[in-house]
Order: sequence, then structure tokens, then C-alpha cells
Amino acid sequence: NAGVMQNPRHLVRRRGQEARLRCSPMKGHSHVYWYRQLPEEGLKFMVYLQKENIIDESGMPKERFSAEFPKEGPSILRIQQVVRGDSAAYFCASSPEPPTSNQPQHFGDGTRLSIL
Amino acid sequence: DQQVKQNSPSLSVQEGRISILNCDYTNSMFDYFLWYKKYPAEGPTFLISISSIKDKNEDGRFTVFLNKSAKHLSLHIVPSQPGDSAVYFCAAHRSGAGSYQLTFGKGTKLSVIP
Repeated sequence: NAGVMQNPRHLVRRRGQEARLRCSPMKGHSHVYWYRQLPEEGLKFMVYLQKENIIDESGMPKERFSAEFPKEGPSILRIQQVVRGDSAAYFCASSPEPPTSNQPQHFGDGTRLSIL
Repeated sequence: DQQVKQNSPSLSVQEGRISILNCDYTNSMFDYFLWYKKYPAEGPTFLISISSIKDKNEDGRFTVFLNKSAKHLSLHIVPSQPGDSAVYFCAAHRSGAGSYQLTFGKGTKLSVIP
């Protein structure tokens, strides 16, 4: 059962380094969403991508954060010059097409990013 | 501004009894609601959803009720089982916004006591 695959599961970085989080959507899914969860909080939307296109990045911080979903390969969430406040769990979700009530977003197990 | 609110951080229920998890929303443009279940160190797993044109949707032990006038939905689990112990997130979505992002509540931790 090839669900949404995220790697690494855990990532430790020092302040100022770069973090790269990868997400392979479910087979046949071409829509990818990234969410961030801070401790004791719900998931917060960051960005929605289709292959080679960013559709909605309204939830992504304007600086240091970027995302891509190339024609080939996984979606990448990139955080440059990480700071302590970037420590969180980052979840990726996918859907086969814009989700409807019958086709919800399916989530990966997340990447837990810790900044030293 | 919390558009989706789950006001109970935790809930304890005896095995076999009914669990009722509540969720309120403020954005009247939301028209599609979902419940996700999450175990520690795992991603959220989709449970059940409901469109705003309905007031009830049932799937096995899980039933979601929607009261649009009150902007309130609830998830009923009956009978509750120890394996249901997890954090439950309510999420909402607005069609036609061009994005399909989900807005989540902060979650309710359900503990089912054997």
C-alpha cells in the first residue's frame, strides 16, 4: 500500500543551515499540499502544488521558505537559514485531483524538524 | 483568528459507550467538513466527511452531524473501543476558492478506558 511517503522522518539542523523535506505523493496523485504543526496546535496550511506549478502559497512565510513539485521526482519543501521557531512537524498530503467530499487529502507520517 | 474550533482538548470515555467530539466554525463559506484521526508520530488518517448540503453522514461506528445554522458539527463514535484512543482533528474547506486548503482545529485527545 504505497501511501504518501515523506523523508526523512526526523531531521536535525543547526541554526542557519538549510532543511530539505521530501514528499512522494500516492500513486496517481498529482496534487500535493504541505502543512505545518507546532506543538499543541492543529495543522496549518502552507502551500498547494500541482506538477510544476504552485497553485496557492498563501500559508507559506514570505522569506526562507520555498516549495516545488517537479515533473519528475518528489515534492520538496526547502527552508533556508533555519531558526529555532522552524522546529515543528511538517506534513505532506496528496489527492488525485482537486479534492471533493469523496476524495479527501491523504497524509504522510510527517517530518519532525528540530533546530539546535 | 481560529476559524475552526475544538473547545475540548481532551475527552475520556468508557469502552462501549458513545464518544461525542465537537467542532465549531466561524466561516460560513466552508462547505465541506472532515474528521481526521491521528496517532502519535503518525500522520492524520481520514475518517469521515460531510458536505454542507447534508446534515448527517454515517460510516460504520462513525457518524458526523452538521448543524449549519449553528455552525457546529460533531463526530459520534459508538461503541467506543480502546483502539479509538487518538487525537481527532476537525477540518473544513471552502469550494471555489481555487485552493482546497484545509483549515484544522487544534484537536481533541480521546481516551477510551477499557
